[in-house]
Amino acid sequence: EADIYQTPRYLVIGTGKKITLECSQTMGHDKMYWYQQDPGMELHLIHYSYGVNSTEKGDLSSESTVSRIRTEHFPLTLESARPSHTSQYLCASGGGGAGFGGETQYFGPGTRLLVL
Amino acid sequence: AQSVTQPDIHITVSEGASLELRCNYSYGATPYLFWYVQSPGQGLQLLLKYFSGDTLVQGIKGFEAEFKRSQSSFNLRKPSVHWSDAAEYFCAVGARGSQGNLIFGKGTKLSVKP
Repeated sequence: EADIYQTPRYLVIGTGKKITLECSQTMGHDKMYWYQQDPGMELHLIHYSYGVNSTEKGDLSSESTVSRIRTEHFPLTLESARPSHTSQYLCASGGGGAGFGGETQYFGPGTRLLVL
Repeated sequence: AQSVTQPDIHITVSEGASLELRCNYSYGATPYLFWYVQSPGQGLQLLLKYFSGDTLVQGIKGFEAEFKRSQSSFNLRKPSVHWSDAAEYFCAVGARGSQGNLIFGKGTKLSVKP
């Protein structure tokens, strides 16, 4: 079954550690996205990709980086985690577009990150 | 630039009652419109979407939404709410000609009374 996966689901880590949040999709979508969501707040786009070797920064400035070496894989990395990075991170992939734009985004279950 | 407003932060309805969640958007042309639902600790699940054509859109779990161009609205409705509908609901807008990026509202939390 086509799906989108995120690991880990929960992560508690100390300040200064390097972390990578994994996101994989089996939907065959070219477009993938990372959002940051604080409790009770809207989603903020932090990174997106239109395909292999394509990465762009989103509307919300983030100290994280992403890579897209394979279509199905879009990991997000924080080189040095800080308490301000505590949040939920949601990965999505986009497909089924009605022409240019309008792709439906499908979301993974999210990673809840707590930096102590 | 496009934007999305969900005026109600929190709504409580009784089980079996009807539901309407409001969504207003700002965009110069006809946008793509989406409603997503998020259960606690989970990602977002697509309920329904509007691209073009019939302005009344049917979705999963008995939800529907109506696009009203004159009011710049895309309100979500359900005739009879179930306790399992308690969740956070997000409206989103995508611009035509964009690269597929969406702008999300701040969400409406739905509580259901027994």
